[in-house]
Amino acid sequence: QKEVEQNSGPLSVPEGAIASLNCTYSDRGSQSFFWYRQYSGKSPELIMSIYSNGDKEDGRFTAQLNKASQYVSLLIRDSQPSDSATYLCAVWGNRDDKIIFGKGTRLHILP
Amino acid sequence: DAGVIQSPRHEVTEMGQEVTLRCKPISGHNSLFWYRQTMMRGLELLIYFNNNVPIDDSGMPEDRFSAKMPNASFSTLKIQPSEPRDSAVYFCASSWGRGLTGELFFGEGSRLTVL
Repeated sequence: QKEVEQNSGPLSVPEGAIASLNCTYSDRGSQSFFWYRQYSGKSPELIMSIYSNGDKEDGRFTAQLNKASQYVSLLIRDSQPSDSATYLCAVWGNRDDKIIFGKGTRLHILP
Repeated sequence: DAGVIQSPRHEVTEMGQEVTLRCKPISGHNSLFWYRQTMMRGLELLIYFNNNVPIDDSGMPEDRFSAKMPNASFSTLKIQPSEPRDSAVYFCASSWGRGLTGELFFGEGSRLTVL
């Protein structure tokens, strides 16, 4: 089983709708979880971090964590064309003691 | 403030040649990470340093790869000899601490093409 798994997409969402991005991880002892955004040809940038079960909201973004299910998600409300990018899920693995990235989900917001 | 600075931005070389990638981390950050990104394998951690000391190099593919951090403001990643399968974008990132907060600041990357 891969350590951090994401659906590669592309995920197409109409402008103004909610985009839902999902991620699962294998290391049950992981404690820190992150979402990075990467525009085409650019470097990744951190947009959300979450450390405890439940929801964390920041503007149009909400990160959700369920440690029992080993599941992390990112919701983007009122999606904008500028949200079109690849979203990378990253996990600080307790077993490996380092940050492991998923391969990312390509999101395309349809105008 | 200047971000993480990488050079060169693009490198095209022939198989067998030596390649050296350079990175200047953000001043004050004490951890530095080298990642490689390809479509097939995604973003892979090659090696990371904390206070100039290599902490985890388990991601370095083989002996052809080496990395150094002689001081807090400079690191190199060397590939010798290079092979076509090394073609990728190589990112350097820095952070305060070992990255447990997840806030890694990435450079713009060095796109390597080995012919």
